[in-house]
Amino acid sequence: AQSVTQLGSHVSVSEGALVLLRCNYSSSVPPYLFWYVQYPNQGLQLLLKYTSAATLVKGINGFEAEFKKSETSFHLTKPSAHMSDAAEYFCAVRPRGNQGGKLIFGQGTELSVKP
Amino acid sequence: EPEVTQTPSHQVTQMGQEVILRCVPISNHLYFYWYRQILGQKVEFLVSFYNNEISEKSEIFDDQFSVERPDGSNFTLKIRSTKLEDSAMYFCASSGTGQSYTEAFFGQGTRLTVV
Repeated sequence: AQSVTQLGSHVSVSEGALVLLRCNYSSSVPPYLFWYVQYPNQGLQLLLKYTSAATLVKGINGFEAEFKKSETSFHLTKPSAHMSDAAEYFCAVRPRGNQGGKLIFGQGTELSVKP
Repeated sequence: EPEVTQTPSHQVTQMGQEVILRCVPISNHLYFYWYRQILGQKVEFLVSFYNNEISEKSEIFDDQFSVERPDGSNFTLKIRSTKLEDSAMYFCASSGTGQSYTEAFFGQGTRLTVV
């Protein structure tokens, strides 16, 4: 069965430092991949998605992610963290050809940003 | 910008009571979903709905749960006899198409507390 693993339930960085949140999927056929962000007491907002058009995907708020088939990874990065980036980040997958299918989420990574 | 809206934002109910969580998906969307997130855990799929019927459901979605689209705009989740373990944040989502690369748009969630 399809699964998603996010390494690190908590990541803490200093303001201005690189943000790296890790996501690996398990599937012989690369799925479609999504990163969502959840700010405190809010819903899930799409940051970016991989749909095979390009392996490096740029999203909102300066985030980007690179799809690496050989590593079955889709890690999320941001060159310089802001205090406002503190939130929970979820990686999610949907298998190809799964019309209307569910998203399968990783367990989430809570990002803290220190001044 | 179109958004998914959920009501109420918080609901406290006694064990054994019925609850109905309400959602208004984005107006031209065709696929509708319910997910839940138990505190501190990952987002879990409950059910998907298309063309006025359930298209997929998880093992969590047992006979105590039901969904309905009573009119052209609302999408509801009913829990017939709530249990303590039903306490969670419930998210409604909708998607414009069934294409597997299409993201789901999430509401702000309803926090359900069963006492």
